[in-house]
Amino acid sequence: GAVVSQHPSRVICKSGTSVKIECRSLDFQATTMFWYRQFPKKSLMLMATSNEGSKATYEQGVEKDKFLINHASLTLSTLTVTSAHPEDSSFYICSARGDSSSNQPQHFGDGTRLSIL
Amino acid sequence: AQSVAQPEDQVNVAEGNPLTVKCTYSVSGNPYLFWYVQYPNRGLQFLLKYITGDNLVKGSYGFEAEFNKSQTSFHLKKPSALVSDSALYFCAVRDGGNMLTFGGGTRLMVKP
Repeated sequence: GAVVSQHPSRVICKSGTSVKIECRSLDFQATTMFWYRQFPKKSLMLMATSNEGSKATYEQGVEKDKFLINHASLTLSTLTVTSAHPEDSSFYICSARGDSSSNQPQHFGDGTRLSIL
Repeated sequence: AQSVAQPEDQVNVAEGNPLTVKCTYSVSGNPYLFWYVQYPNRGLQFLLKYITGDNLVKGSYGFEAEFNKSQTSFHLKKPSALVSDSALYFCAVRDGGNMLTFGGGTRLMVKP
């Protein structure tokens, strides 16, 4: 099946640091990538949707200057948490879809656990 | 707006017994329905989907789901649960657009 690789799997860093998370589609071209945030024992919250070569579309309440998304190629999207603070600590998950058809499932990375001290 | 409800936060079942994880949805057009499973500290794994056709959809690891249009439900089922099925399960719906909407998740606990 389709594979999405997310790196790193875990980050622990000091407050004020900027952290970059990579999401790669390994065996298909991802026309659309999605970034989610998941709080403990909660469902996934969509942060933004990105299409290759264009600006990401952010969900209401998500700071675009805080969470920078780049989707420069059909196999790579990055999420940069700028000047991270403890409240940014969370589990971040990316997903990708190769086909724009609505009947295709999204494939998910294994997530990145971000801990800001 | 589309929405998904998973009425049970947790489902407990004994190993070998059948299991059902409930899901109901609301969508304006034809629904595209999905089930995903999440193991601890992992992303979501796709289990199965309903697009059109047979109301009973078979997926990975012996799971199946039944689409019921009149009840707007898409319950996940398995005839015989395994301890290794213990995980967090998410139902999701897409209405033809880009947005996949998730339910709140149901934790399945299978006890030996």
